[in-house]
Amino acid sequence: QVQLKESGPVLVQASETLSLTCTVSGFSLTNYGVIWVRQPPGKGLEWMGIMWRNGNTDYNSALKSRLSINRDTSKSQVFLKMNSLQTDDTAIYYCTRADYYDGYYHFAYWGQGTLVTVSS
Amino acid sequence: NTVMSQSPTSMFISVGDRVTMNCKASQNVGTNVDWYQQKTGQSPKLLIYGASNRYTGVPDRFTGSGSGTDFTLTISNMQAEDLALYYCLQYDFNPRTFGGGTKLELK
Repeated sequence: QVQLKESGPVLVQASETLSLTCTVSGFSLTNYGVIWVRQPPGKGLEWMGIMWRNGNTDYNSALKSRLSINRDTSKSQVFLKMNSLQTDDTAIYYCTRADYYDGYYHFAYWGQGTLVTVSS
Repeated sequence: NTVMSQSPTSMFISVGDRVTMNCKASQNVGTNVDWYQQKTGQSPKLLIYGASNRYTGVPDRFTGSGSGTDFTLTISNMQAEDLALYYCLQYDFNPRTFGGGTKLELK
């Protein structure tokens, strides 16, 4: 069955770089895109960026200067890297799969999320 | 960016109630709106796409409606398992943006 699982550090120092991995199973990254979404504790959701199935990427313009998303299709992994972290980057980071309905992708499958705390 | 404003931010409801929550877009997004349900400690779940289409397995007590800038999610005959946060999302413009959420709590 379709599964996504985020992994990475739980605590990162301010000004450092965050590296997260989304490991997927039950589907191929060459058939589906993967999106990163984050949620600060007690707050709403933010679309961060997408790794398209063809290997292209798109980023939220608010994060674009700090964010990069890459993948290793042989390992079924998508990677998020974000530099110059600040305390307001503290959030649960989710990866989700892009499932197409009505000609657009939607977030039908989600990982469990991983809480990253940025310490000053 | 397109701002999605949800109202109310919270609602106190009883089992069996009919619940209506709203989402207003800062610009015309057509019918390119999803609704997601997030229970405490869980990942969000897709309920509605395209403003009014129920995702697979979603009970028919959930109904989405609206177009342009104004959207509504209605839960008829509210169940205890529906207590959650509900978020709207627009996907007409990049970046995709979520509303701030409506929290359903027991009266």
